[in-house]
Amino acid sequence: QKEVEQNSGPLSVPEGAIASLNCTYSDRGSQSFFWYRQYSGKSPELIMFIYSNGDKEDGRFTAQLNKASQYVSLLIRDSQPSDSATYLCAVNENTGRRALTFGSGTRLQVQP
Amino acid sequence: DAGVIQSPRHEVTEMGQEVTLRCKPISGHDYLFWYRQTMMRGLELLIYFNNNVPIDDSGMPEDRFSAKMPNASFSTLKIQPSEPRDSAVYFCASSSSGSSTDTQYFGPGTRLTVL
Repeated sequence: QKEVEQNSGPLSVPEGAIASLNCTYSDRGSQSFFWYRQYSGKSPELIMFIYSNGDKEDGRFTAQLNKASQYVSLLIRDSQPSDSATYLCAVNENTGRRALTFGSGTRLQVQP
Repeated sequence: DAGVIQSPRHEVTEMGQEVTLRCKPISGHDYLFWYRQTMMRGLELLIYFNNNVPIDDSGMPEDRFSAKMPNASFSTLKIQPSEPRDSAVYFCASSSSGSSTDTQYFGPGTRLTVL
């Protein structure tokens, strides 16, 4: 059973702090990794994707990938109350199958 | 550019009734995915299509569920007969093989309640 694991939270951080969200995956052959944000009652929306080991930065967001440890993380700098949402990690094994396997999500609360 | 469109947005029905959910993918996208989201099980892939052909339906829970994609701009997910445990939010998503990424774009979802 291929799995994507996330801590369900809630992860509570003060406004302006760095929020660190973590995800582990079981399939060593996984090739592409995605972070989606989902506000309550809304649909998931893409935040970032990462394919290569290392860091990828986009504004206040940084995705980190370590394939050897089968670990992907999302850092949110200068967290804002509007960042409060559930963050879903998704993995594609890239075996020709286009489907994504989603983690259960981490709920982030940014306290003003 | 219009995103993924789903209808209805909310559906309330009684156990045993037939339910049909509809989806229009983003124009030009050749992959279409149906997901179900519940608190207990999270976001689960039910089935996906490529160029209107079902590729993987291993996530379809049982024979009561069926999905079709008669053309590139329309897909349906049907539940017959519906049961209370089918209550969930059903999302449709689409992606393009011509994109450099596997990014899937989600529709607003259909919240289904089976009484």
